[in-house]
Amino acid sequence: DAGVIQSPRHEVTEMGQEVTLRCKPISGHDYLFWYRQTMMRGLELLIYFNNNVPIDDSGMPEDRFSAKMPNASFSTLKIQPSEPRDSAVYFCASSFQAGGPGVDTQYFGPGTRLTVL
Amino acid sequence: TQLLEQSPQFLSIQEGENLTVYCNSSSVFSSLQWYRQEPGEGPVLLVTVVTGGEVKKLKRLTFQFGDARKDSSLHITAAQPGDTGLYLCAGALYNFNKFYFGSGTKLNVKP
Repeated sequence: DAGVIQSPRHEVTEMGQEVTLRCKPISGHDYLFWYRQTMMRGLELLIYFNNNVPIDDSGMPEDRFSAKMPNASFSTLKIQPSEPRDSAVYFCASSFQAGGPGVDTQYFGPGTRLTVL
Repeated sequence: TQLLEQSPQFLSIQEGENLTVYCNSSSVFSSLQWYRQEPGEGPVLLVTVVTGGEVKKLKRLTFQFGDARKDSSLHITAAQPGDTGLYLCAGALYNFNKFYFGSGTKLNVKP
């Protein structure tokens, strides 16, 4: 299995631009998670889906952030407009449903390093 | 303020030494997980504990979940340079619908 695939691996953009991050979960996994990691705030859960349905989006920082999962093999995280404080590493993770987050093994992708100038 | 506070934040030790990393909260967790993250990569799960007082061993690593399910510890015996990385605890609340990562402990094991 190829594991969780994220693209792009690096993104540099200017303030105000739209940014779209992409994720392909491991085939057969029921849960998909989006995280953001910074030195200041650590690893934060932004949103997670179960069977393509958003379950908890309370970690999404503001309306500029949106996430979709149109099918079981693809998800996007969009930031519009982007701001310098959005600079971070964004991780996608997936898991096979057993007991839910905190019980299942989450498999993380390599991350997308976003820099907003 | 993090829901899960880890200590110490940074730890630099010599190969062969023992160490303990702590993960504390005022909240009761349904389960606790420990992950290790290496530079440029995503975290990798080490262990999951779900019962208060539970102890799990993974080679030289020993994990304990507190009796009250509010805290956990990770003990490494005879640390090796390969143990270097960022150690993260993570916990689930409210019947596993809420999930949080701790603040992290950065470990450096010098040869």
